[in-house]
Amino acid sequence: DTGVSQDPRHKITKRGQNVTFRCDPISEHNRLYWYRQTLGQGPEFLTYFQNEAQLEKSRLLSDRFSAERPKGSFSTLEIQRTEQGDSAMYLCASSLGQGQVNIQYFGAGTRLSVL
Amino acid sequence: QKEVEQNSGPLSVPEGAIASLNCTYSDRGSQSFFWYRQYSGKSPELIMSIYSNGDKEDGRFTAQLNKASQYVSLLIRDSQPSDSATYLCAVTSSGAGSYQLTFGKGTKLSVIP
Repeated sequence: DTGVSQDPRHKITKRGQNVTFRCDPISEHNRLYWYRQTLGQGPEFLTYFQNEAQLEKSRLLSDRFSAERPKGSFSTLEIQRTEQGDSAMYLCASSLGQGQVNIQYFGAGTRLSVL
Repeated sequence: QKEVEQNSGPLSVPEGAIASLNCTYSDRGSQSFFWYRQYSGKSPELIMSIYSNGDKEDGRFTAQLNKASQYVSLLIRDSQPSDSATYLCAVTSSGAGSYQLTFGKGTKLSVIP
């Protein structure tokens, strides 16, 4: 257990529904990341927060995706109007930003299945 | 397009042997390099980090970095069946304030008892 918590662990939804995932980072970590991983692929970067500011977003993050980190602590990732192609493992990671050293620790992930 | 390339395997080694995993990356300005281990259905777990050219050893694991060749490797000595997993190479992109990791597709390692 790395100390990064994700909820729920599994989510099954029907196409067109909205889903929201939560991530609680390691308490002293100021950086929080979301990645998506599909079968046979490495994780792909979605977005990154430093404290409450969303500083980077990938092209993968379409307008159906939105992420927040309102008080610089936990974060939520919402997917609106889900599509079957959204089925994946959604991983959250956090790090304590100290210059070049930026080791990211991953949570257990939320596995999304869109029927 | 910044890329990280790994041989997908599977790489099979007998128990007690040395497993050698390789990774190349395209972004010459990359600063930080990581190896993560991922068991089937689980999330990535950090094994090693390396930031400067040369070797870094931690127990049975040795990471090697050659920035001129844009190459990073992981050696696992005295391989155990519990080492059977997918090993992901990850690289931090260059650029001010950019901390995202770019991952390879991973190499699946099987250690045969």
